[in-house]
Amino acid sequence: EDQVTQSPEALRLQEGESSSLNCSYTVSGLRGLFWYRQDPGKGPEFLFTLYSAGEEKEKERLKATLTKKESFLHITAPKPEDSATYLCATSGTYKYIFGTGTRLKVLA
Amino acid sequence: SQTIHQWPATLVQPVGSPLSLECTVEGTSNPNLYWYRQAAGRGLQLLFYSVGIGQISSEVPQNLSASRPQDRQFILSSKKLLLSDSGFYLCAWSVQINEKLFFGSGTQLSVL
Repeated sequence: EDQVTQSPEALRLQEGESSSLNCSYTVSGLRGLFWYRQDPGKGPEFLFTLYSAGEEKEKERLKATLTKKESFLHITAPKPEDSATYLCATSGTYKYIFGTGTRLKVLA
Repeated sequence: SQTIHQWPATLVQPVGSPLSLECTVEGTSNPNLYWYRQAAGRGLQLLFYSVGIGQISSEVPQNLSASRPQDRQFILSSKKLLLSDSGFYLCAWSVQINEKLFFGSGTQLSVL
């Protein structure tokens, strides 16, 4: 059965304290792995798509990487405005499978 | 540029009442359209998706239905709401199946 698991469920960081979020997946015929950011009470906002192992994408303080079994979202020197829930998702056949997300809180 | 509109933002409905949530996409043609539900502490659950007018696929048997009367309009309905229908409902679209999703702002539905 296709599955996506994110860890940790919640993460508190001090401003400037770098860390990584994990997304482990078991998907038949992976076609893409996606990262989204979701602020409270709003719809998810697309961040990255990764298609093959070894691929990396960067945007400001965020960098996403992909292996054959997991993806990492690295956050370098985070700021309070990076506080949000980060969702990982995979696409296999005709649907996406979302993880339950990591709630990130960055303290000033 | 493409935009997605979803309304209402919040809705409080009594058990047994009907439901209609609407979503429209602007700036693109023949989008793939999706309805998701997000419960607290759980991942997004795909409810329905549509690849074209009148073409609806249901992922989970439930009290809800969806329709696509126009190319860029997607409607989520229920004839009689249940308490378990409460949640955060999200409409989304994509250019191609298996590509990135663009989400609406969501509807917080409370069934009392």
